Amino acid sequence: EADIYQTPRYLVIGTGKKITLECSQTMGHDKMYWYQQDPGMELHLIHYSYGVNSTEKGDLSSESTVSRIRTEHFPLTLESARPSHTSQYLCASRSPATGGSGELFFGEGSRLTVL
Amino acid sequence: KQEVTQIPAALSVPEGENLVLNCSFTDSAIYNLQWFRQDPGKGLTSLLLIQSSQREQTSGRLNASLDKSSGRSTLYIAASQPGDSATYLCAVGGGSQGNLIFGKGTKLSVKP
Repeated sequence: EADIYQTPRYLVIGTGKKITLECSQTMGHDKMYWYQQDPGMELHLIHYSYGVNSTEKGDLSSESTVSRIRTEHFPLTLESARPSHTSQYLCASRSPATGGSGELFFGEGSRLTVL
Repeated sequence: KQEVTQIPAALSVPEGENLVLNCSFTDSAIYNLQWFRQDPGKGLTSLLLIQSSQREQTSGRLNASLDKSSGRSTLYIAASQPGDSATYLCAVGGGSQGNLIFGKGTKLSVKP
C-alpha cells in the first residue's frame, strides 16, 4: 500500500487568494509528480521532480509553482487563484527502477474550487 | 507524441460476467504500462504494472496483457462484482522523467 498523503482533500476559496496544496510521501521516493484532472478528462502532468532541489514543468502549462526542499515533501502553490484553476490535483511518487519503469503511486487528490 | 485511447468509454454489465477493457497507444517505445482504478472523487489505485519486456501480469481476478508491437493492452476482469464499479485508467510510461501518459478511462458499472 502506498504511503502518499495530500491535504486538503477539498478546498473552496475566493478569487485572488494564495493557496498551497500539500503532498507528502514516506517511501523515500526521489521522483514525484503533480497531475491535474478535470471531470471526465485524462490526467495531465503539470510539475515533476527528480529529487531535492529539482523541479521541472510538465506537459500542461500551469500557473502554479512547486518546491522540493525535502525528499518527502512536494507542495504546489497558486499565488493568486482564479476560477480557471478549479480542478482536481493529484500528487504521485515513483518507486525506484531503471529507465523510469518504477510503479507510480497516487495520493487521494485535492479538489480545488475557486469562486 | 504519445496518445492513449481507451475503448469503450463506459460499460455496464451484470454481476458475474467476465469482461475486457481495451487500451491502445500510438508509440510502441514505452518503458511500461500501468492500469489504475479510480473511484469517484478519489485518487488512483495501482492495479497492475507491466514492464516493456513482459507480456502479462496477474493479480487475483485481474489479468493485464501487453502487445507492444501492435500498441495494445487489455485488462481482463473475471467474475465481476458490484465492488468493481469504478473508472479504469490505462497509462503508458516513456521518457527519462518517468512520466505517464493517461487515457481518459473506461467507466465500469457492475449491476447486482
